[in-house]
Amino acid sequence: RKEVEQDPGPFNVPEGATVAFNCTYSNSASQSFFWYRQDCRKEPKLLMSVYSSGNEDGRFTAQLNRASQYISLLIRDSKLSDSATYLCVVNKAGFQKLVFGTGTRLLVSP
Amino acid sequence: GAVVSQHPSWVICKSGTSVKIECRSLDFQATTMFWYRQFPKQSLMLMATSNEGSKATYEQGVEKDKFLINHASLTLSTLTVTSAHPEDSSFYICSARGQPNTDTQYFGPGTRLTVL
Repeated sequence: RKEVEQDPGPFNVPEGATVAFNCTYSNSASQSFFWYRQDCRKEPKLLMSVYSSGNEDGRFTAQLNRASQYISLLIRDSKLSDSATYLCVVNKAGFQKLVFGTGTRLLVSP
Repeated sequence: GAVVSQHPSWVICKSGTSVKIECRSLDFQATTMFWYRQFPKQSLMLMATSNEGSKATYEQGVEKDKFLINHASLTLSTLTVTSAHPEDSSFYICSARGQPNTDTQYFGPGTRLTVL
């Protein structure tokens, strides 16, 4: 079983749509959780950290369910510029190493 | 914000040659640097972790004699792919963590290696 699992997509949505991505992780001792965005042939960029209480940054909302080992990202009012691959990232328990999911590809069309 | 650079951004080499990739933290001291590899349509895979002034710690399955890592200063780490082969062709990305924000990894722009 992969340490971090995501639906690879692609998710094709029209501009203005709301889209949600899910992610599960296998190590219950994991401590830190993140969503990164990666554009084609570019490095990943931190989108937001994910906190147990849930957190929001503009159109983006992240949620964490430790009991289910489940992380989500909600994007509201999708923009064309949101088209990218979204990576679910978990720190390896006991270390400061990041474990990346394979990513979920989002395509926002006009 | 913290900036990490990588050089070169892309490189094409012949099989059997060695390639050196540099990773620099431009405006902060990187006490720890990480080297990742990403094959097409796959996730980033951590290859090794290096702390300034000490030997790198390699992940399982990564050959330390093939992927030489040097972290000689607080702003520079290098990855040398020795005797490169076509299967080493990949996107190599470094990240750095250090003062003042030790919780965040800042990623370099990556180096695309193609071995003919």
